[in-house]
Amino acid sequence: EPEVTQTPSHQVTQMGQEVILRCVPISNHLYFYWYRQILGQKVEFLVSFYNNEISEKSEIFDDQFSVERPDGSNFTLKIRSTKLEDSAMYFCASSVQGPNEKLFFGSGTQLSVL
Amino acid sequence: EDQVTQSPEALRLQEGESSSLNCSYTVSGLRGLFWYRQDPGKGPEFLFTLYSAGEEKEKERLKATLTKKESFLHITAPKPEDSATYLCAVFYGGSQGNLIFGKGTKLSVKP
Repeated sequence: EPEVTQTPSHQVTQMGQEVILRCVPISNHLYFYWYRQILGQKVEFLVSFYNNEISEKSEIFDDQFSVERPDGSNFTLKIRSTKLEDSAMYFCASSVQGPNEKLFFGSGTQLSVL
Repeated sequence: EDQVTQSPEALRLQEGESSSLNCSYTVSGLRGLFWYRQDPGKGPEFLFTLYSAGEEKEKERLKATLTKKESFLHITAPKPEDSATYLCAVFYGGSQGNLIFGKGTKLSVKP
C-alpha cells in the first residue's frame, strides 16, 4: 500500500538554527499537510497546501515557518530560526481530494531543539 | 474550552472484554468526524469517517457511531494488537479547512 515517507526520523538542532523537514506524499494525492504533536499533547494543524500554494494555515504557522514543493514529489517544511518550543513530532500528511476525507500520515520527524 | 473531548484518557481491558470509547464535540456545522489509531512513535492511521448523525461504520472488531453531540468507538472482544491510542478529530465549517483533534484514549489490552 502506498505510504507517506518522511525524513529524517529524528533531527537534533541548536536553538536559532534552520531546519528542513522532508516529506514524499503519495503520488496521486493533491492535498498536502503538516501537523505537529508536542509530547503528551494533541495533534495540531500547521498548514495545508494545494495547487502549489498554501490553502490554510494556523496561528502556529508564523513567519518562521515556510513550505515548499520543490519538485513533483517532495514537500518540505522549513523552520528558519528554531526555538525550544518548536520541539515536537512533525507529521506530514496527504489526501486525494481535501481535508474532509481520510488523511494519510507519515511516521513523523521528531525534532529536538537544544 | 476544548472543542473535542475524549474519554476516558486511558483504558485497560482484558483480552475479550468489550468496551467503548467516547468522543464528544461542541462545534457546530460538523462536516466530518474521524477516528484514527496511533501507535507509539508513528503517525495517525485512518479508521473511519462519519458524516451525519445516525451513521455507523464497522471494521473487524471496531464499530463507530455518531450522534449530534458525540461519537462512540465500540471495541468488541479486543485483542492485544488493538492496544494503541485512538484519536478523534472533527472537520467543521469554522475549522478553516483542517482537523481538530482530541487528546486521545490510550487503550491497553492484556492477554
